[in-house]
Amino acid sequence: DGGITQSPKYLFRKEGQNVTLSCEQNLNHDAMYWYRQDPGQGLRLIYYSQIVNDFQKGDIAEGYSVSREKKESFPLTVTSAQKNPTAFYLCASSPTRQAGEQYFGPGTRLTVT
Amino acid sequence: RKEVEQDPGPFNVPEGATVAFNCTYSNSASQSFFWYRQDCRKEPKLLMSVYSSGNEDGRFTAQLNRASQYISLLIRDSKLSDSATYLCVVNREGKLIFGQGTTLQVKP
Repeated sequence: DGGITQSPKYLFRKEGQNVTLSCEQNLNHDAMYWYRQDPGQGLRLIYYSQIVNDFQKGDIAEGYSVSREKKESFPLTVTSAQKNPTAFYLCASSPTRQAGEQYFGPGTRLTVT
Repeated sequence: RKEVEQDPGPFNVPEGATVAFNCTYSNSASQSFFWYRQDCRKEPKLLMSVYSSGNEDGRFTAQLNRASQYISLLIRDSKLSDSATYLCVVNREGKLIFGQGTTLQVKP
């Protein structure tokens, strides 16, 4: 089955620790995205990548980093510099950046205490 | 002001009711439009695209008014399984802008 996987589903970390969230897709999509969702708010774009070895900052990139070494994979690192890291993180992909529809993974709920 | 605005609700309706959600967007450069559905604590999934001519998919009808920068979603004969949050989404130059969502609760 084609799709997007994210792991883990739930993640707990202590303040001051960096943490990496996994995102893998086997849809052969060029574009991949990371969003964060907070209660009662819309999704906000953290980073996106249009092609391997290229990525761009979204609206709220501070305190996050990404890499795109393989087409299938787009991991997100939440660093200790992110002031409010507790959130629901969603990875998505689309055939190209211009494609209107994006396909989402199941998400990772990160709790930092 | 948010670029995509929706009434967060919740909308509480009985089974079988017809319910309508509205959404406004502020950037006239927006190119394409969508409704996504998000179940509680799950990922969003595309419900339908929205076209100026209006489009229907079973019990769901979506409408776009570019002049008024307004998008609507009509759900007829509501089912319990329609309970979810409905996200209005616009595509502006390859970037998806999400509304905060409208929550629908269908009661027996």
